[in-house]
Amino acid sequence: KQEVTQIPAALSVPEGENLVLNCSFTDSAIYNLQWFRQDPGKGLTSLLLIQSSQREQTSGRLNASLDKSSGRSTLYIAASQPGDSATYLCAVKGPDSKLTFGKGITLSVRP
Amino acid sequence: GAVVSQHPSRVICKSGTSVKIECRSLDFQATTMFWYRQFPKQSLMLMATSNEGSKATYEQGVEKDKFLINHASLTLSTLTVTSAHPEDSSFYICSARQGEVYEQYFGPGTRLTVT
Repeated sequence: KQEVTQIPAALSVPEGENLVLNCSFTDSAIYNLQWFRQDPGKGLTSLLLIQSSQREQTSGRLNASLDKSSGRSTLYIAASQPGDSATYLCAVKGPDSKLTFGKGITLSVRP
Repeated sequence: GAVVSQHPSRVICKSGTSVKIECRSLDFQATTMFWYRQFPKQSLMLMATSNEGSKATYEQGVEKDKFLINHASLTLSTLTVTSAHPEDSSFYICSARQGEVYEQYFGPGTRLTVT
């Protein structure tokens, strides 16, 4: 059974800092990996989707990498801003087309 | 594009009553819709997968008679929590996709509180 782990559960950084969020998964047989943002009490906003054949994806200040063989992904946020404060979830899509989510990392960017 | 809506956004009901949550794909036809439940500081847990016109497939441990799912059209799925109890209080999120190779798009969620 696929398990997705995100550590730490919470992170607080000063504004302007570059930061890396980590995600690990136990079964490398995945179709893709996706990073989402969730604001308190809200649904999910997709940030980046990396296909299993890809190594990374970039969107603005965000860069996500995928190392399928080692079961790891990172989300790099450059020049963090208070508006980046949210919970970041990673999810992997398995051969059954279902998504397995991690518990998320709650990021707080201090002004 | 690819907008999914949910209604209501929050609902409070009394123990023993039933509540229905709607999930709609606004600008695409969703052959498959998913229902998730999320407890505070926890992962989204998949409850069931529904394909248009057929019965939903429930994940292990999810009571199908308690969580009734209907996917009668390509743009609408409903989740009915029957005889709700306080332990059913949670954040319910739906998602929809056009087909197996397509991305899932998520709704804004429904906060259910059972008193």
